[in-house]
Amino acid sequence: DTAVSQTPKYLVTQMGNDKSIKCEQNLGHDTMYWYKQDSKKFLKIMFSYNNKELIINETVPNRFSPKSPDKAHLNLHINSLELGDSAVYFCASSQTSGSSYEQYFGPGTRLTVT
Amino acid sequence: KQEVTQIPAALSVPEGENLVLNCSFTDSAIYNLQWFRQDPGKGLTSLLLIQSSQREQTSGRLNASLDKSSGRSTLYIAASQPGDSATYLCAVNNNDMRFGAGTRLTVKP
Repeated sequence: DTAVSQTPKYLVTQMGNDKSIKCEQNLGHDTMYWYKQDSKKFLKIMFSYNNKELIINETVPNRFSPKSPDKAHLNLHINSLELGDSAVYFCASSQTSGSSYEQYFGPGTRLTVT
Repeated sequence: KQEVTQIPAALSVPEGENLVLNCSFTDSAIYNLQWFRQDPGKGLTSLLLIQSSQREQTSGRLNASLDKSSGRSTLYIAASQPGDSATYLCAVNNNDMRFGAGTRLTVKP
């Protein structure tokens, strides 16, 4: 009964490639997020989507683009991968209407760029 | 810009001890504060969520407090167990989520 799921769990690819990470939540939440956890284990928000609108966009390279086909999915597309993109990427969701805002995280996708 | 600091960075205690993890933040205009646990190579598990209007939340052996005016939160763990060993992350939500660097807790049997 997974609440927030991500695929793949591991992704190894070469520099210059384009890749996608998928995220799905079955909690009925209205907002989804992508976070990056670097080698020092520091978590930083990248994007959030609320009702198909981007409401936060941190200073991430435009090679990264979130795509939300519907409220339950927020996929992360990365173009022209670079070595520095190697990290663990976490998807999360929350219900922001009603002011709960409690975030639920997926298991993470470990991206390694060689 | 919100900055979140967690002290200590690492903590090692013998089993059975009570302990306190600290979190401080610079902007007190928050919606809520959330404590998470992260096991090595795993995702984040939400432990406690404190809304800005609340002072504390309890779940089992865990108690989290919030003092918004001073920009502080503490996570109290009673009667620690080896299974509590993990990294504990504090996250503050004021329109976006800012995480501290975490406290790596080791509870020795």
